[in-house]
Amino acid sequence: GAVVSQHPSWVICKSGTSVKIECRSLDFQATTMFWYRQFPKQSLMLMATSNEGSKATYEQGVEKDKFLINHASLTLSTLTVTSAHPEDSSFYICSAPDPVYTEAFFGQGTRLTVV
Amino acid sequence: QKEVEQDPGPLSVPEGAIVSLNCTYSNSAFQYFMWYRQYSRKGPELLMYTYSSGNKEDGRFTAQVDKSSKYISLFIRDSQPSDSATYLCAMKREGYSTLTFGKGTMLLVSP
Repeated sequence: GAVVSQHPSWVICKSGTSVKIECRSLDFQATTMFWYRQFPKQSLMLMATSNEGSKATYEQGVEKDKFLINHASLTLSTLTVTSAHPEDSSFYICSAPDPVYTEAFFGQGTRLTVV
Repeated sequence: QKEVEQDPGPLSVPEGAIVSLNCTYSNSAFQYFMWYRQYSRKGPELLMYTYSSGNKEDGRFTAQVDKSSKYISLFIRDSQPSDSATYLCAMKREGYSTLTFGKGTMLLVSP
């Protein structure tokens, strides 16, 4: 099946610094990718939709200047958490719908801890 | 009312039991229904995928969709400790790629 690779799987950073998370579709092209945030024992919360060649679409309440999304190519989307604070600590997951199977495949997730 | 409702559990069962996981939804436009399994600190993995109403079986897993009742189920037969995970239902509309998720049900299968 289709594979989505997310990197890094975990990262610790200091408050005020920025962290970049990469999401790659390995064997299919993804014009759209989704970025989710998940708190412990909670479901996935959609943060934004990344669109190749155009601006990302952010969900209500998500700060676009804080969570920068770039969909550089048909196989790569990045999420940059800028000026990170401890409350940004969470599990971030990307997914990409496979246009052939109309399914969504998920990356392994990135656990971000801001200290 | 949320679009997708799912009991968060936890649901604890002994090994070998039949497990029933369920979701209800309110949007009749949903046509695609999925079940994902998520182990702790991992991304969700697709288990079952169903289009419209009906049943689908894959090994020990059976997915059922009843669109008239807006109710979907996932059955796990002969449950194993390795089935212990959070199970998320998800659904989407025709022509849309955005998924709407349930909260997820935590399943614990004890040896």
